[in-house]
Amino acid sequence: GQQLNQSPQSMFIQEGEDVSMNCTSSSIFNTWLWYKQDPGEGPVLLIALYKAGELTSNGRLTAQFGITRKDSFLNISASIPSDVGIYFCAGRPGSNYQLIWGAGTKLIIKP
Amino acid sequence: DSGVTQTPKHLITATGQRVTLRCSPRSGDLSVYWYQQSLDQGLQFLIQYYNGEERAKGNILERFSAQQFPDLHSELNLSSLELGDSALYFCASSLSGDPTYEQYFGPGTRLTVT
Repeated sequence: GQQLNQSPQSMFIQEGEDVSMNCTSSSIFNTWLWYKQDPGEGPVLLIALYKAGELTSNGRLTAQFGITRKDSFLNISASIPSDVGIYFCAGRPGSNYQLIWGAGTKLIIKP
Repeated sequence: DSGVTQTPKHLITATGQRVTLRCSPRSGDLSVYWYQQSLDQGLQFLIQYYNGEERAKGNILERFSAQQFPDLHSELNLSSLELGDSALYFCASSLSGDPTYEQYFGPGTRLTVT
């Protein structure tokens, strides 16, 4: 079946560093979504992407829909303590499909 | 606060038992999704209901079932519980039946099977 490969699995970074994570699929997707789960809470939508090549920002977060339509990237600039949590990508191959979720990238900020 | 409520917050039960988890969607939302999140793992989509009808099924075990009532609240029933069913169960709601529309997640129900 359809699978998403999300990497890295976890990241240990210093406050102020920039962060990059990505998701790749084995087939073409027509929508990419990025959600964030704060510790102890449910995920919240950060950014939605609907077109190949699209680059969308939400504050310090920027996400891109890859040109090949098989990948998406999320960048966080100048990380702060409240950025900790698990970042999930989710994508959909077509209108007749459900969302497929990545396994998540856990972001931890070193004290 | 997402506007989605889930009860109970915590549930501890024994193997072989049956439990019911409840979800009230945001006012006006017609879709309800159920997810399972095991320790240190990603979200596993279980099932979606839209306006009372089952819309999509994911990796839901035969021992699990769900329904959405006329007032749009939903219940997830888990039976013949096994240790491996211990997990965080999330409900999410959305205005549309399209899963790419923003889903608003509840705080989750933590199920512990002993």
